[in-house]
Amino acid sequence: RKEVEQDPGPFNVPEGATVAFNCTYSNSASQSFFWYRQDCRKEPKLLMSVYSSGNEDGRFTAQLNRASQYISLLIRDSKLSDSATYLCVVSNGNNRKLIWGLGTSLAVNP
Amino acid sequence: NAGVTQTPKFRVLKTGQSMTLLCAQDMNHEYMYWYRQDPGMGLRLIHYSVGEGTTAKGEVPDGYNVSRLKKQNFLLGLESAAPSQTSVYFCASSYGLGTGMVNTEAFFGQGTRLTVV
Repeated sequence: RKEVEQDPGPFNVPEGATVAFNCTYSNSASQSFFWYRQDCRKEPKLLMSVYSSGNEDGRFTAQLNRASQYISLLIRDSKLSDSATYLCVVSNGNNRKLIWGLGTSLAVNP
Repeated sequence: NAGVTQTPKFRVLKTGQSMTLLCAQDMNHEYMYWYRQDPGMGLRLIHYSVGEGTTAKGEVPDGYNVSRLKKQNFLLGLESAAPSQTSVYFCASSYGLGTGMVNTEAFFGQGTRLTVV
């Protein structure tokens, strides 16, 4: 089993749609969780950290379920500019390394 | 605000040549990382450093060496380049407060596109 697993997609959605991505992780000792966004041929950039209580940033909502070891990202009212690859990232047990999922590709269509 | 700067941005090497990729950060971060990214493989950690003078192996260290002589710089060396090392290389840095404490955001350089022929 991979340490961090994501559905690779691609997800093709119309503008204005709501889309959700899930990610599972294998190390129960992980303490830090993130969603990054990567545009084509660019470097990854932090979208949002994921906190135990769940957190929201505008149209984006992240949830963490430690018992089931999964993380989710919900995007509401999708925009064309949301088209990108979304990377789920989890720290390893001693917080010295970040473990990266392969990413989920999202295409928002007009 | 420079953030994380990688040089060079593009390079073509012949098999067997050597080169050094330079990563510099101006955010006083303790942790620095070198990744490679290949289609379908995601980001794979080559080497990392948790502070000046220290380095450690990641998932795919073979064929690479690193040095962190100064806190702000992390160098990745290819001693004898092979076609399998054709990839996009990303450097990143973070505060990474250490064992038992949470990691903070990792900031990335713009990447180095390396082709080995």
